[in-house]
Amino acid sequence: GIQVEQSPPDLILQEGANSTLRCNFSDSVNNLQWFHQNPWGQLINLFYIPSGTKQNGRLSATTVATERYSLLYISSSQTTDSGVYFCAVGLSGGGADGLTFGKGTHLIIQP
Amino acid sequence: DAGVIQSPRHEVTEMGQEVTLRCKPISGHDYLFWYRQTMMRGLELLIYFNNNVPIDDSGMPEDRFSAKMPNASFSTLKIQPSEPRDSAVYFCASSIMGEQYFGPGTRLTVT
Repeated sequence: GIQVEQSPPDLILQEGANSTLRCNFSDSVNNLQWFHQNPWGQLINLFYIPSGTKQNGRLSATTVATERYSLLYISSSQTTDSGVYFCAVGLSGGGADGLTFGKGTHLIIQP
Repeated sequence: DAGVIQSPRHEVTEMGQEVTLRCKPISGHDYLFWYRQTMMRGLELLIYFNNNVPIDDSGMPEDRFSAKMPNASFSTLKIQPSEPRDSAVYFCASSIMGEQYFGPGTRLTVT
């Protein structure tokens, strides 16, 4: 099956700092999504980004499918950004299959 | 829309008992997914449906697990008999051509 590796596994930052989270995957994919799991356990979809670049407020993501990696950028971090960030991939386009998740990056933003 | 709805939110049961988890997807979504999250194995796909038809159940751990989707607005995941190693958070998610939206999860504890 597809292997998904995320780095770093843990990250501690001060409020206001910027960060880059990386996701490497082992096969060609047509479905890549980033999620944030907050401290209460809720999984929030951040981006559906099988290729290209998207931005949503302080967050942006870039996927280079040909090189099998994706990056999630968080700028001007806030304490509410704390939690675990997951990258998840699938083979089918249009989101038409289940996702394989990485182990996540655990982010702590300190005030 | 109310989002994906799961019930119950918490379930504590004894080994050997039958457990039924329920999910109502977002109206209009044609894909429904069941995932399980544990500390040891992370987030893993169990089964998914398209237009109420099971497409891939290769992630279902064993015959004790079964899932149904009798109509577009309801799905169940049943474990019979339950075992302590089934303790986990079970998530349901739905999608339509792209982003997957997760429910709040059911935390299952089997003693």
